[in-house]
Amino acid sequence: AQKVTQAQTEISVVEKEDVTLDCVYETRDTTYYLFWYKQPPSGELVFLIRRNSFDEQNEISGRYSWNFQKSTSSFNFTITASQVVDSAVYFCALSSPNDYKLSFGAGTTVTVRA
Amino acid sequence: AAGVIQSPRHLIKEKRETATLKCYPIPRHDTVYWYQQGPGQDPQFLISFYEKMQSDKGSIPDRFSAQQFSDYHSELNMSSLELGDSALYFCASARTGDLNYGYTFGSGTRLTVV
Repeated sequence: AQKVTQAQTEISVVEKEDVTLDCVYETRDTTYYLFWYKQPPSGELVFLIRRNSFDEQNEISGRYSWNFQKSTSSFNFTITASQVVDSAVYFCALSSPNDYKLSFGAGTTVTVRA
Repeated sequence: AAGVIQSPRHLIKEKRETATLKCYPIPRHDTVYWYQQGPGQDPQFLISFYEKMQSDKGSIPDRFSAQQFSDYHSELNMSSLELGDSALYFCASARTGDLNYGYTFGSGTRLTVV
């Protein structure tokens, strides 16, 4: 069984602060895929990033960066210099090549105050 | 670029009524997934289709049924609606060979049962 844990329920920051979202996962698969999605108040699910289990290279894309550590089963996501438009619920998700169903974490609500 | 189209965007039904949600995948996508997201919850997998055949099933009530048609669009039929069926219903599509890259979500149908 797969499980994704996002321990942070809510995070509130002031604009321009950095925000790091934690994600810990459990899976018995040796190959798997990790995702981050953003859900703004309008409700749609916006794809942010995907990582293979065999690709531990961390990257920075604009104000977003991610830290994938297989040894600790963590896939953390950072927003640098947060903006009000970053206010949303952020979901970490996991899938395997068996069925590609997404197992979501409970989500972290990020509120960025002006 | 074309996206996944879901209709209607909003739907209000009374208890015990029937609802039909429609999903039009991105052209040339042969796989469709349905998810249900209750208020304050993470999305939960309902059912998936590949090439017009059901490929996997999650915690979908017997009152719900779904199918994928020859043009690859999919419909989720929900009968004897209950208050607890009020949720955001997402459809997602992908080409089977690209599933490891994740899939594209539609904007969702918000169903309210009163």
